[in-house]
Amino acid sequence: DVKVTQSSRYLVKRTGEKVFLECVQDMDHENMFWYRQDPGLGLRLIYFSYDVKMKEKGDIPEGYSVSREKKERFSLILESASTNQTSMYLCAATSDFEQYFGPGTRLTVT
Amino acid sequence: AQRVTQPEKLLSVFKGAPVELKCNYSYSGSPELFWYVQYSRQRLQLLLRHISRESIKGFTADLNKGETSFHLKKPFAQEEDSAMYYCALRGGSNYKLTFGKGTLLTVNP
Repeated sequence: DVKVTQSSRYLVKRTGEKVFLECVQDMDHENMFWYRQDPGLGLRLIYFSYDVKMKEKGDIPEGYSVSREKKERFSLILESASTNQTSMYLCAATSDFEQYFGPGTRLTVT
Repeated sequence: AQRVTQPEKLLSVFKGAPVELKCNYSYSGSPELFWYVQYSRQRLQLLLRHISRESIKGFTADLNKGETSFHLKKPFAQEEDSAMYYCALRGGSNYKLTFGKGTLLTVNP
C-alpha cells in the first residue's frame, strides 16, 4: 500500500511569509502532484512532476513553485503567502492509473 | 481541452433509496474515467475506474460515449455512503487527472 505523507495537517501563516509544504511517498512512484481543494471548486492542479528535477505547471500555478530534488519528496512553495491561498492542499503520487493521496494540509493565511 | 462537469453540488437521499451521481465530460479523444471518494476525516481515494467495469461497495458506473457521461449509481444507498464524490478524467498518455467540482452525498436514516 502506497503511503503518502504530508508534513503538517494544519498550518497558520501570515501574509507575506514564505511557506513550505512537504510531501513524501514511500514507494517508487515517478509522478507526483499538488492540488488545492476548495468547497465548490473541487480539486485544482497546481503543479506536477514526472521525475526528479522535472516539473510542469498545472491549471493554477500562479503564486506557487515546486521542488523535487529526490524521487520520494515533492515540495510546494508559496513564495509570499496571501489570504487567497488559504485552502486545503493535497499531494498525490502515482505510477499507474490510481493516484494515491496524502491526508492534506489545511493552510490558513492571516 | 478536457472538462468534467458534476451538475449537483449536494445530493440528499434516504437510506435504501437509489442514488445516481451525475458526471459529464468533454474530451476529444478516448478518455479514462474515474470516481474518487472522500469520507469524513479520511483521505481521497479511488472508488472505481471505467475500464475495470467492476462494482465497488455496490456502486457501478458505465461510460456512455454517446452522451459523454459516467454517472455513478447504487440501487440501495447506505448511511456509510455519505461522502464527497469526485468524477475525474485522464486523457492522453500522461498521468494528470482533471477533476469535477464534486458532489456531497448525504444519506439520511
